[in-house]
Amino acid sequence: AQSVTQLDSHVSVSEGTPVLLRCNYSSSYSPSLFWYVQHPNKGLQLLLKYTSAATLVKGINGFEAEFKKSETSFHLTKPSAHMSDAAEYFCVVSDRIKAAGNKLTFGGGTRVLVKP
Amino acid sequence: DAGVTQSPTHLIKTRGQQVTLRCSPKSGHDTVSWYQQALGQGPQFIFQYYEEEERQRGNFPDRFSGHQFPNYSSELNVNALLLGDSALYLCASSPRTSGIYEQYFGPGTRLTVT
Repeated sequence: AQSVTQLDSHVSVSEGTPVLLRCNYSSSYSPSLFWYVQHPNKGLQLLLKYTSAATLVKGINGFEAEFKKSETSFHLTKPSAHMSDAAEYFCVVSDRIKAAGNKLTFGGGTRVLVKP
Repeated sequence: DAGVTQSPTHLIKTRGQQVTLRCSPKSGHDTVSWYQQALGQGPQFIFQYYEEEERQRGNFPDRFSGHQFPNYSSELNVNALLLGDSALYLCASSPRTSGIYEQYFGPGTRLTVT
């Protein structure tokens, strides 16, 4: 069984300051991990993915995440927040025991507010 | 290259009615998954189709059923609608054999049950 816990339901940052979104996962197998972003009234967009290569993963729009197996964490960071980063962010886990196209298990989401 | 498309965008139904939602996967993708996203929550996996068969299913009742066509497009059917079925329904596609594990999402269909 797999599960994801996003430790903060809301995060508020000032423009230009760092962003940290925390995620812990549980998986019976070696997981694939993802961060998706959802802007209001939009679909989900993939920010980055971890699939057992480098533990530090770089994504789009300056985001990166670090896979820490010992802590079962996959926290998302960005050095400098931009107004356009205001959105809902989802940490997602998928087991890799089966072929591509596995079901994704989503965390509850973290809503990011960026203040000018 | 068209991404994942879904229709309709919005839908209003009455409790007890039936609804069909449609999805066309991204070009080159043969696997379609459906998710339900209630307001303020993360998406929940409903089921996944490839080779025109349901391959995995989440914790949803039999009122939720689906179909995949030879061109890989898919339908989600919900019977005997309940107020609690009001949600954003997301379709996602992926290429099953490529070893790519991420899924690409459509914009969703917002279903309101009154």
